[in-house]
Amino acid sequence: GENVEQHPSTLSVQEGDSAVIKCTYSDSASNYFPWYKQELGKGPQLIIDIRSNVGEKKDQRIAVTLNKTAKHFSLHITETQPEDSAVYFCAASMPGNQFYFGTGTSLTVIP
Amino acid sequence: DTEVTQTPKHLVMGMTNKKSLKCEQHMGHRAMYWYKQKAKKPPELMFVYSYEKLSINESVPSRFSPECPNSSLLNLHLHALQPEDSALYLCASSQDEGLGTEAFFGQGTRLTVV
Repeated sequence: GENVEQHPSTLSVQEGDSAVIKCTYSDSASNYFPWYKQELGKGPQLIIDIRSNVGEKKDQRIAVTLNKTAKHFSLHITETQPEDSAVYFCAASMPGNQFYFGTGTSLTVIP
Repeated sequence: DTEVTQTPKHLVMGMTNKKSLKCEQHMGHRAMYWYKQKAKKPPELMFVYSYEKLSINESVPSRFSPECPNSSLLNLHLHALQPEDSALYLCASSQDEGLGTEAFFGQGTRLTVV
C-alpha cells in the first residue's frame, strides 16, 4: 500500500509569516493529493487539493505544489493568522479512492 | 452543500452495550467511508461503501458492523466493544471511488467505552 510521510510534526510561526508543510508518498499510482485542516474536536476539513496532472494550485493564502518525479507535495500558507492554528494532514489517493493520510502537523500561529 | 452529518456527537457505552453511529449526506455521493481516529493520530480507514455495497473492509474486528441502508445513509453498529475502541469515529463521503475525488468528513462521534 501507499506510505505517506509528513514533516514537520509540529510547527510554530509568528503571525504574518509563512508556513510550509511537506509530504512524500511512495506509490506512483497515487494521483490525487488533498490537504485537510482539523481543529480540536472537529472533523477534517478539506482546504485544498491537487491532481497529478497539475504542478501547482493556489487559493488565496494557501497553495500546494506537487513534484511527481520526486513524489513529494507541499502546503504553503502565507500571511498566517491565529485562526490557521490547527492540525494539518496531507493525503494521497489512488484509483479506488483509498486515502492514505500523513501523520499530521500541528501548526501554531503566535499572535 | 458539502455537509456530512453524524449523530450522536458524543457517546458513552459499556462493554456489553449495543449502539449505532449514524451518518448522512445529501450531496449525491456514491462512496461513503468510516474512519477511526485516536488522539494525535491520522484517521485510519475502517470501511468503504461504493454504490451501497461494501467494497473495502480494512480487517476491522466483527464487533464493528457497517450498514448502508441507502445512498444517503451509513451506519456503524457497535457491540461488545473494548475500552481501546474509544476514539473519534469519522464518516466521509465522495463522488465515487473512481478517479480520486474530494472526500468530505463529518464532525465525528466521540466514543468512550467504559
